[in-house]
Amino acid sequence: DGGITQSPKYLFRKEGQNVTLSCEQNLNHDAMYWYRQDPGQGLRLIYYSQIVNDFQKGDIAEGYSVSREKKESFPLTVTSAQKNPTAFYLCASSIPGRAVNADTQYFGPGTRLTVL
Amino acid sequence: GIQVEQSPPDLILQEGANSTLRCNFSDSVNNLQWFHQNPWGQLINLFYIPSGTKQNGRLSATTVATERYSLLYISSSQTTDSGVYFCAADNAGNMLTFGGGTRLMVKP
Repeated sequence: DGGITQSPKYLFRKEGQNVTLSCEQNLNHDAMYWYRQDPGQGLRLIYYSQIVNDFQKGDIAEGYSVSREKKESFPLTVTSAQKNPTAFYLCASSIPGRAVNADTQYFGPGTRLTVL
Repeated sequence: GIQVEQSPPDLILQEGANSTLRCNFSDSVNNLQWFHQNPWGQLINLFYIPSGTKQNGRLSATTVATERYSLLYISSSQTTDSGVYFCAADNAGNMLTFGGGTRLMVKP
């Protein structure tokens, strides 16, 4: 089945450690996104990528890093520089441009990160 | 950047009731989407609707771009409609800004 997968579902880390969250899609979408959601809040954009080997900062990129070496993969690293990393992280993908359903974003199931 | 506000923040309905959720945005948009987030956190895209009206079963949405608002209608609500409804808008290309959400609880 086509879709977006994120792993792991739950992640616990000690303060000061870097951690990488996985996001994979087999929808053949060009664009991929990472969002952060805090309890009771909406989503905020961390990074996005519209094409392989290119990515742009979103509204809250500080303390995070990404790579886009393959079309289907867009991993997010939460570094020790991120002051409040405990949150729910959501990955999404879309087809940018003029195609049918272009720009409609489809989301993965999310990863809940808790830093102890 | 664009500002997105949703109302009401919380809504409790009896099963079978109808409801209207509102989304106001501060600037013209080229992308507006409605999402439903279930209690497990999964977001499902309901509508891509930068303008006009769309319907999908018991749900419909209308965006009046000139007046900078969008409405989501839920008819004959069911307990499975519970969750958080988000509106998200973009006017600069591929950077959706989300509203704070409307938390809906449908009671049996």
